[in-house]
Amino acid sequence: NAGVMQNPRHLVRRRGQEARLRCSPMKGHSHVYWYRQLPEEGLKFMVYLQKENIIDESGMPKERFSAEFPKEGPSILRIQQVVRGDSAAYFCASSPNTGTDQPQHFGDGTRLSIL
Amino acid sequence: GENVEQHPSTLSVQEGDSAVIKCTYSDSASNYFPWYKQELGKRPQLIIDIRSNVGEKKDQRIAVTLNKTAKHFSLHITETQPEDSAVYFCAAGSGFQKLVFGTGTRLLVSP
Repeated sequence: NAGVMQNPRHLVRRRGQEARLRCSPMKGHSHVYWYRQLPEEGLKFMVYLQKENIIDESGMPKERFSAEFPKEGPSILRIQQVVRGDSAAYFCASSPNTGTDQPQHFGDGTRLSIL
Repeated sequence: GENVEQHPSTLSVQEGDSAVIKCTYSDSASNYFPWYKQELGKRPQLIIDIRSNVGEKKDQRIAVTLNKTAKHFSLHITETQPEDSAVYFCAAGSGFQKLVFGTGTRLLVSP
């Protein structure tokens, strides 16, 4: 059973460009979470999605950031018009679609660097 | 909203000693408390978790205790080994909701 898959592992963008980060949850998982981690800091929640629905986006900036989890395909975190402050590691986690308090398992992350 | 505080920020121990990391949370509705280990440049890995209906859970050299009244929980690592060196994060959440993470503890185990 493959783990949470994120790509790309590393992404370099110039200021003003768009960044697209992809996350495929573990098989059988329908809950996807995105977190951001700045160097030497903890993980900050951004958004929680289920298939075709955004459940909680309270941690995501209102401008330039968007997320989706379509019926088919991976979840996408999109950052438009990137700025230097967007440089961080972005982690995706997934959890199963049954029961409560199921563990969140993380992918290897995408390290975004803005030039 | 939930706020999680974690102490200490760094912890240095000798191999074979025990290590204890403590966290407090603010939201009494939180009922799920996982601990993650993160090595440099790697993903956070779940090492143990506890739910609010139990006070203690143990898995080999790792144990977690939870005091719901005081709203704090702790990670205990016994017989530490150099490969335990990493950053450890506590977190709090409820149901399928987001996890709120502590700021991390950098554990260094010296041979």
